[in-house]
Amino acid sequence: EVQLVESGGGLVQPGGSLRLSCEASGFTFSSFWMHWVRQAPGKGLVWVSRIKSDGTSISYADTVKGRFTISRDNAKSTLYLQMNSLRAEDTAVYYCAREVTNSGSYPFDYWGQGTLVTVSS
Amino acid sequence: DIQMTQSPSSLSASVGDRVTITCRASQSISTYLSWYHQKPGKAPKLLIYAVSNLQSGVPSRFSGSGSGTDFTLTISSLQPEDFATYYCQQSYNAPLTFGGGTKVEIK
Repeated sequence: EVQLVESGGGLVQPGGSLRLSCEASGFTFSSFWMHWVRQAPGKGLVWVSRIKSDGTSISYADTVKGRFTISRDNAKSTLYLQMNSLRAEDTAVYYCAREVTNSGSYPFDYWGQGTLVTVSS
Repeated sequence: DIQMTQSPSSLSASVGDRVTITCRASQSISTYLSWYHQKPGKAPKLLIYAVSNLQSGVPSRFSGSGSGTDFTLTISSLQPEDFATYYCQQSYNAPLTFGGGTKVEIK
């Protein structure tokens, strides 16, 4: 069974840092592109970042570029999101998601349960 | 960036109704269009990918159509478990973008 389990969320002050983790199981993690998507309270889904299966290609949303860093450890089947210089507007539930390969549109077929990040003083 | 505009933003419908949600892209996205729904407190769930392909395990009352910039999600006969928020998403290029969502509520 495919599972994605996020951790690392919590309360952090503006300007602070946090590292999210997403532990994958039930599939060959090293074969899949992975993504982070966030959702502010009561708002819609916003894509944050993606990383290629071997880590050689990375993209970010403009709103987090230069502050967030996505990475992965294929030996540990774990995806990470290092978040620095956090702002109040980064407050959201953060989901990791697996991208489907060979699908024609690269959708996200599995999502984690989400981890809440709250940026507040 | 490609903007995805969904309409309506919300709708009220009854069990058994046919429901249609539209999604318009600010430029052509070919067939790089997926649909998800999300229930409160839960992660989104993939319904349809590549415009019209039903994800495994998704009931056949869900269908998708469209091309280029205009896309539609149809629920042929709304069921109680379908009351949720629906999102379209383009993966034509980065940054990937979602529509603003359509909340389907019980009439």
